Amino acid sequence: NAGVMQNPRHLVRRRGQEARLRCSPMKGHSHVYWYRQLPEEGLKFMVYLQKENIIDESGMPKERFSAEFPKEGPSILRIQQVVRGDSAAYFCASSPGLAGVTDTQYFGPGTRLTVL
Amino acid sequence: KQEVTQIPAALSVPEGENLVLNCSFTDSAIYNLQWFRQDPGKGLTSLLLIQSSQREQTSGRLNASLDKSSGRSTLYIAASQPGDSATYLCAVRYGGATNKLIFGTGTLLAVQP
Repeated sequence: NAGVMQNPRHLVRRRGQEARLRCSPMKGHSHVYWYRQLPEEGLKFMVYLQKENIIDESGMPKERFSAEFPKEGPSILRIQQVVRGDSAAYFCASSPGLAGVTDTQYFGPGTRLTVL
Repeated sequence: KQEVTQIPAALSVPEGENLVLNCSFTDSAIYNLQWFRQDPGKGLTSLLLIQSSQREQTSGRLNASLDKSSGRSTLYIAASQPGDSATYLCAVRYGGATNKLIFGTGTLLAVQP
């Protein structure tokens, strides 16, 4: 059973461009989470999604950031008009979404975004 | 505000020593607490998960304890090895509709051979 997959692993963008980060959850997992790790800081929650639904986006910046988890295909974190402050490691996690029991999150290797 | 704090921020020990990493959280109404390991430039590896009803969990040379009343967890590493060198992260999941984890800033551990 393959783990959580993220691509690309490294992404370089110039200011003003768009960044698209992809996350394929583990097989059988229907819940996806995105976290961001800024340089010298801890991981911060961004958004929690289930298939075709955003459950909690309390950690998402108000502008330029969006996320989706379509019925088919990977989850996408999209950053429009990137700025240097967006440079960070973006981690995706998935969980099976089992109610009433430990719903452990399994993390992917991350995408390291560098904005020039 | 729900916050997670880890001390020390960095720790260097000689190989073979036993060591303790600390994690504290401000709100005791947690659902569970998880310890992760992060190697440089890599993702997170889950080490131990403690449910709110549990006092400790053990895996090999690792033992994690949880004291909800005091808002603290410790990760005990026995007989440390150079391969244990990494950043150790504590993350808390609170109850409610969201499953988000709140992370501490981590402890950078260096085990000297």
